[in-house]
Amino acid sequence: DAGVIQSPRHEVTEMGQEVTLRCKPISGHDYLFWYRQTMMRGLELLIYFNNNVPIDDSGMPEDRFSAKMPNASFSTLKIQPSEPRDSAVYFCASSPSGGDTQYFGPGTRLTVL
Amino acid sequence: GENVEQHPSTLSVQEGDSAVIKCTYSDSASNYFPWYKQELGKGPQLIIDIRSNVGEKKDQRIAVTLNKTAKHFSLHITETQPEDSAVYFCAAQSNFGNEKLTFGTGTRLTIIP
Repeated sequence: DAGVIQSPRHEVTEMGQEVTLRCKPISGHDYLFWYRQTMMRGLELLIYFNNNVPIDDSGMPEDRFSAKMPNASFSTLKIQPSEPRDSAVYFCASSPSGGDTQYFGPGTRLTVL
Repeated sequence: GENVEQHPSTLSVQEGDSAVIKCTYSDSASNYFPWYKQELGKGPQLIIDIRSNVGEKKDQRIAVTLNKTAKHFSLHITETQPEDSAVYFCAAQSNFGNEKLTFGTGTRLTIIP
């Protein structure tokens, strides 16, 4: 398997623009997680899905952030409008089942100018 | 919720020596403790994990120990090599049915040739 795939790997945008990050989980995995990593706050869980249904979005920082999972092989994390403080590395991870190993993608490095 | 503390934040050891990283957790119901290694520009990768029904687990040069009474667990790397240089994260998962991992703040391990 190719592992978790994320795109783009790097994104540079200007404040106020819409940003969409994409993730393809490992085939057959029922759980998908979105994380944000910064030097100040470390690895933070933003939201996770089970069988395409959002289970816990308590980590989503504010209404500017939204995530969808229209099918088992695709998820998006959208930021609209983006702000400089959103600059971070965003990771997607998937897991075969609850309480199991999470496999991380390579991440998307987002820079908001 | 769960709180995971990790020490030290940085660690330098001579090649061939051992390295130990320690974590404590707050939720006594936590029962799954994975360790991840993150190399520069990559996503975290699982290197070893332990569940609450065992006290120690070993995989070649890497071992993890768990003390549920004291609520702490440790990563031990023996015969360190330059390729062990990376950031290491511990994590804890609360009671069954909660798929969220809480991560420690990370340890930057540097192996000195």
